[in-house]
Amino acid sequence: ETGVTQSPTHLIKTRGQQVTLRCSSQSGHNTVSWYQQALGQGPQFIFQYYREEENGRGNFPPRFSGLQFPNYSSELNVNALELDDSALYLCASSYGGRGSSYNEQFFGPGTRLTVL
Amino acid sequence: AQSVTQLGSHVSVSEGALVLLRCNYSSSVPPYLFWYVQYPNQGLQLLLKYTTGATLVKGINGFEAEFKKSETSFHLTKPSAHMSDAAEYFCAVSRDSSYKLIFGSGTRLLVRP
Repeated sequence: ETGVTQSPTHLIKTRGQQVTLRCSSQSGHNTVSWYQQALGQGPQFIFQYYREEENGRGNFPPRFSGLQFPNYSSELNVNALELDDSALYLCASSYGGRGSSYNEQFFGPGTRLTVL
Repeated sequence: AQSVTQLGSHVSVSEGALVLLRCNYSSSVPPYLFWYVQYPNQGLQLLLKYTTGATLVKGINGFEAEFKKSETSFHLTKPSAHMSDAAEYFCAVSRDSSYKLIFGSGTRLLVRP
């Protein structure tokens, strides 16, 4: 069983540029959540996708957007990068479904984004 | 609204000593509670979780935590620290197991030889 994978592992961009981060969910999972972890802080929820539709969003501006594909992999896009966007971006996959009880989120290793 | 407070950004213990990492939460609904561990340059690994039922929860690597509703706490303990336990630990709360996790700011555990 393949775990959650993310690409790239590291990325350096300049202010104003756009970036796309990718996540492959664990086999059998249909839900992907994205988190931003700034240096020295806990992860903050960006948004979640369930069966290709956004299923909740945290306090992030619209320049943070996402997609989920039919194979349940996902992308996080950030436009007009700012210095404060420098962080570790974590993806977590889980199996969600109506009436399901507990569904653990499995995290990938993250993408380290540096904005100069 | 839900929130998590982790007391102590750094905790230092000697190898073999008791580990106690503190977590208090705020939640308007019955919470799901989690402890995650993060090793350098890695993602998060689930140590243990509380959903419903027994309030004393046992996890991996000898860790356990007790849900105390009256104190709104979910402290993490381990009887005897090992050098390999040195890492960052995060407490998290959720209203649902697969919905968004609200994390605390983390506690870095240092283990002295």
